[in-house]
Amino acid sequence: GAGVSQSPSNKVTEKGKDVELRCDPISGHTALYWYRQRLGQGLEFLIYFQGNSAPDKSGLPSDRFSAERTGESVSTLTIQRTQQEDSAVYLCASSLSDGTSRSNEQFFGPGTRLTVL
Amino acid sequence: DAKTTQPPSMDCAEGRAANLPCNHSTISGNEYVYWYRQIHSQGPQYIIHGLKNNETNEMASLIITEDRKSSTLILPHATLRDTAVYYCIVARRRAAGNKLTFGGGTRVLVKP
Repeated sequence: GAGVSQSPSNKVTEKGKDVELRCDPISGHTALYWYRQRLGQGLEFLIYFQGNSAPDKSGLPSDRFSAERTGESVSTLTIQRTQQEDSAVYLCASSLSDGTSRSNEQFFGPGTRLTVL
Repeated sequence: DAKTTQPPSMDCAEGRAANLPCNHSTISGNEYVYWYRQIHSQGPQYIIHGLKNNETNEMASLIITEDRKSSTLILPHATLRDTAVYYCIVARRRAAGNKLTFGGGTRVLVKP
């Protein structure tokens, strides 16, 4: 079946504009994660959704960042009033998380490369 | 979640075993060791995980010391396609899913 998909693959925007990044998780995966990766660095956790529970937003760097998820499907990460330091690759991952041994394995999408001019 | 320490880079000859060390001296009893890798311009890929016993799958083997303060990921026969950044991560395995904290990883270059 299809893996995690993200769109757009690349986004160039001007400072101060809002952007929306989309993630389509693997069908049936209950957990969905957003990470950010700046050039040459490791991944930073942003937010994660698990079923109908309240999302864990502890990694969001500022109130300009928000995310939504519709049921157990698509998620959208929104960055308002973008700044140059927001430039990074934004990665989405999903996992089955049904309590079995391999279910916490996270499957990552290809990412969205965001460039803020 | 406990922090990990990995060498920043290492080279490996094609066809030979690659042994990637990781220190996690502050690991707690309910934390697992996970390994992911990231090939250039792609999202990370899960490799293997373990709690205290050694683990093996089709990709690699994971050796965890008895005191659990360090581990080694073994790629038995490295190929050029194994060139990637390898991340060692320690995290609790919550049934509801768990956020991962990625450090700098080890940049592995497999040479012909």
